[in-house]
Amino acid sequence: GQQLNQSPQSMFIQEGEDVSMNCTSSSIFNTWLWYKQDPGEGPVLLIALYKAGELTSNGRLTAQFGITRKDSFLNISASIPSDVGIYFCAGQSWNSGNTPLVFGKGTRLSVIA
Amino acid sequence: EPEVTQTPSHQVTQMGQEVILRCVPISNHLYFYWYRQILGQKVEFLVSFYNNEISEKSEIFDDQFSVERPDGSNFTLKIRSTKLEDSAMYFCASSDTGKGRTDTQYFGPGTRLTVL
Repeated sequence: GQQLNQSPQSMFIQEGEDVSMNCTSSSIFNTWLWYKQDPGEGPVLLIALYKAGELTSNGRLTAQFGITRKDSFLNISASIPSDVGIYFCAGQSWNSGNTPLVFGKGTRLSVIA
Repeated sequence: EPEVTQTPSHQVTQMGQEVILRCVPISNHLYFYWYRQILGQKVEFLVSFYNNEISEKSEIFDDQFSVERPDGSNFTLKIRSTKLEDSAMYFCASSDTGKGRTDTQYFGPGTRLTVL
């Protein structure tokens, strides 16, 4: 089946630093999404990307949909302690909301105050 | 803001027992999903459901699993005879029409299933 390779697996950063994480795939996705998961909670959508090359921001978060449609990155600027959590990329093969999401393995972010 | 809710938050069961995990999707949503996440691993798709029938299912969703929408608000996942390897977080999700590019899947908080 389709697989997403997400890196890095984990990051330890100082508060105020910028963060970058990415996902790559051997196959094309038509939609890329970035979710955050806090301990004991379900994934919460951060950013959705629908078009190759699209660059979208949500506050301090910026994500881009790669031109090849096989990759995406998420940047977090000026990190704060509440950014701690696991960040998942997810892809959908079709531009339809009912298509199953394929998730990456996650990037665990730790922020040191 | 409307949200997906799930009960119970934690379920402990003996191997071989049946469990039913319950979800209340967002009220005007039409597509429903179950995903699971084994501890420390990625979230994996199990099944999607629309118009009272399964739309799509993964290899994980074998004959031991079933889904049902018993009334206008609940969506359930039943595991008929639990195995140790069924221990995981189970997430319910729902989306609006499921046909538009912006129909985001919203996730519930999950049920942690522990099979002993």
